[in-house]
Amino acid sequence: EVQLVESGGGLVQPGGSLRLSCAASGFTFSTYWMSWVRQAPGKGLEWVANIKQDGSEKYYVDSVKGRFTISRDNAKNSLFLQMNSLRAEDTAVYYCARCSIGYGDPDYWGQGTLVTVSS
Amino acid sequence: EIVLTQSPATLSLSPGETATLSCRASQSISSYLAWYQQKPGQAPRLLIYDASNRATGIPARFSGSGSGTDFTLTISSLEPEDFAVYYCHHRSNWLLTFGGGTKVEIK
Repeated sequence: EVQLVESGGGLVQPGGSLRLSCAASGFTFSTYWMSWVRQAPGKGLEWVANIKQDGSEKYYVDSVKGRFTISRDNAKNSLFLQMNSLRAEDTAVYYCARCSIGYGDPDYWGQGTLVTVSS
Repeated sequence: EIVLTQSPATLSLSPGETATLSCRASQSISSYLAWYQQKPGQAPRLLIYDASNRATGIPARFSGSGSGTDFTLTISSLEPEDFAVYYCHHRSNWLLTFGGGTKVEIK
C-alpha cells in the first residue's frame, strides 16, 4: 500500500525557517517524480515544487523561488521541503504527493502537515 | 502560464441528480487535464487523468471529456459521498496548475 506521511509543520514567526519531511513507503520511491502542494485555510490547491527521481531537476512556483528548496534522499525514501524567509501567506497545509509515471499527475497524496506563519 | 478557470463555483444538487462541472484553460492543453475530488479534512483524490481516463478504483459514474481548452467532469446519479470540492489540474513541463475548484453541495 502506498503511504506518504508528512511531518515537520508547526507555528513559526515571519522570517523564520521550517523543514518539512515526507516518509514514503509501499512503492519504489526512487523511480517517481515527487511534488509538494499546499492549501491555505479555506482556499484551493497550489503547487509548490517538483523534483525528479534523481534530484537533478527541480521546479518551483514563482512565489517560493529563492526561499524554498525541495530535496530527496532515495536511500531513506524521504522527500523534504526546506522553507526559509517564511511569510504569512505561506500559511497552509502542505501535502507531499507522488507523480504518476505514466501521465505525471499526482496520484497519491499524504494527509498533509500544517504550517502557520504568525507572530 | 496556463490558467484554469472552473465553473460554477458552487453546484447545489440532490442525490441521484447529474453534476456537470466545467474547466476552461487559457490556451490549448490538448488532453492533458486531470480532475481531483477533495472532501473536508482529507487529501485530494485523483479521479480522472488525460481528460477522460478514470484512475484506479474510481466508479464509472465519474466521467471526463473535452480537449483543447474546454473540459467537463460529469458525475452521474450523485451519491451522498460525492458531495465535495472538485479541482481540475494541468501539468506542463513539470509545472503544475490547479483550477479554483467547484463545490458540489447538497441541495
